[in-house]
Amino acid sequence: KAGVTQTPRYLIKTRGQQVTLSCSPISGHRSVSWYQQTPGQGLQFLFEYFSETQRNKGNFPGRFSGRQFSNSRSEMNVSTLELGDSALYLCASSLGELANTDTQYFGPGTRLTVL
Amino acid sequence: DQQVKQNSPSLSVQEGRISILNCDYTNSMFDYFLWYKKYPAEGPTFLISISSIKDKNEDGRFTVFLNKSAKHLSLHIVPSQPGDSAVYFCAARVYGQNFVFGPGTRLSVLP
Repeated sequence: KAGVTQTPRYLIKTRGQQVTLSCSPISGHRSVSWYQQTPGQGLQFLFEYFSETQRNKGNFPGRFSGRQFSNSRSEMNVSTLELGDSALYLCASSLGELANTDTQYFGPGTRLTVL
Repeated sequence: DQQVKQNSPSLSVQEGRISILNCDYTNSMFDYFLWYKKYPAEGPTFLISISSIKDKNEDGRFTVFLNKSAKHLSLHIVPSQPGDSAVYFCAARVYGQNFVFGPGTRLSVLP
């Protein structure tokens, strides 16, 4: 069974631009969560989508948004990029809702650099 | 305010010896704890978990200890192997809410 895939793996953007990241969960998994990883901060929870609905949201500004499609694939969008948005963005999938699951399976991440 | 803390950014251990990674938390409502391992250019992979009703869980070379009164958990790796060199994340959750991760500890196992 294929793991969680994320595209693109690397991305370079400039301040003010917007970016869309994509995540395909493990087949059969219905929950997709997004995290931002920066040095010293660990993984910061962005949001979770389950059955095309946002279930939970972390403490990030409205510039960060996402959606989930009927096939469980998810996209994350960041508008008006800032230098501080440079980070590794990780997607994780789980069979059921994040709140009720024991673990998540992570993709390799998208490394976003904002210049 | 970090609810999950890993106060050692890095740790070096000799191959064959014990590695002890520590994690402290502030939220007494956390009832489930996990450890993840992350290699460069890969996503974190689940290692071991423990529920708050237990104080120890073992899986092969990996053992997690939970001290609820001290709000502290630790991961023991015995014996340590060079392939264990990675960043280890501690995560915790209140049931029904999202996972909260610590900043990670980089473990280097020296041959």
